[in-house]
Amino acid sequence: DTEVTQTPKHLVMGMTNKKSLKCEQHMGHRAMYWYKQKAKKPPELMFVYSYEKLSINESVPSRFSPECPNSSLLNLHLHALQPEDSALYLCASSQRQEMNTEAFFGQGTRLTVV
Amino acid sequence: GQNIDQPTEMTATEGAIVQINCTYQTSGFNGLFWYQQHAGEAPTFLSYNVLDGLEEKGRFSSFLSRSKGYSYLLLKELQMKDSASYLCAVRVDGNDYKLSFGAGTTVTVRA
Repeated sequence: DTEVTQTPKHLVMGMTNKKSLKCEQHMGHRAMYWYKQKAKKPPELMFVYSYEKLSINESVPSRFSPECPNSSLLNLHLHALQPEDSALYLCASSQRQEMNTEAFFGQGTRLTVV
Repeated sequence: GQNIDQPTEMTATEGAIVQINCTYQTSGFNGLFWYQQHAGEAPTFLSYNVLDGLEEKGRFSSFLSRSKGYSYLLLKELQMKDSASYLCAVRVDGNDYKLSFGAGTTVTVRA
């Protein structure tokens, strides 16, 4: 199993809504990542979890709140988002953060904030 | 931060060869990755270089020169399905091991 599974695939939410994006992998990877990608732009790193602990927060606004319940799951809780937060949100995992191993990406959640 | 430069667009004919260049300026270089991304899909891993030289994997090859801060991805025997964005990504050493992406090169393969 070399898959990173993200749900939902598409999400439309209002600016006052609270929603969560979910990510799951069963490859035994100990590093998991959230990236944000706008159209025709490269993925931008948001958060990194290493061994279930938050190791990198790229100065992301607090309306995005990550959570790593266990080594296989990564959530991104969304609250009071703005229309400019509309983007493709990609989850990725790699064997360990400090190892030079490839990152496997999920298919992403396409988020639209209205 | 890292400065990662790659051309915005390239067009080539089916069956041809295309070379996508990537230059980077960074301290603590710890590996360079190439990813392929089709429109609306997730990036998929193509290759990894950390030492100077050429890595060949089927129709795709990647080259790295650490002293020049330069890499290229070579796509041979182009197929229509190779039309995609190709992302160069650099990993740096230090207290964090972040993967920073270039803006991507959109390759269009014509019949």
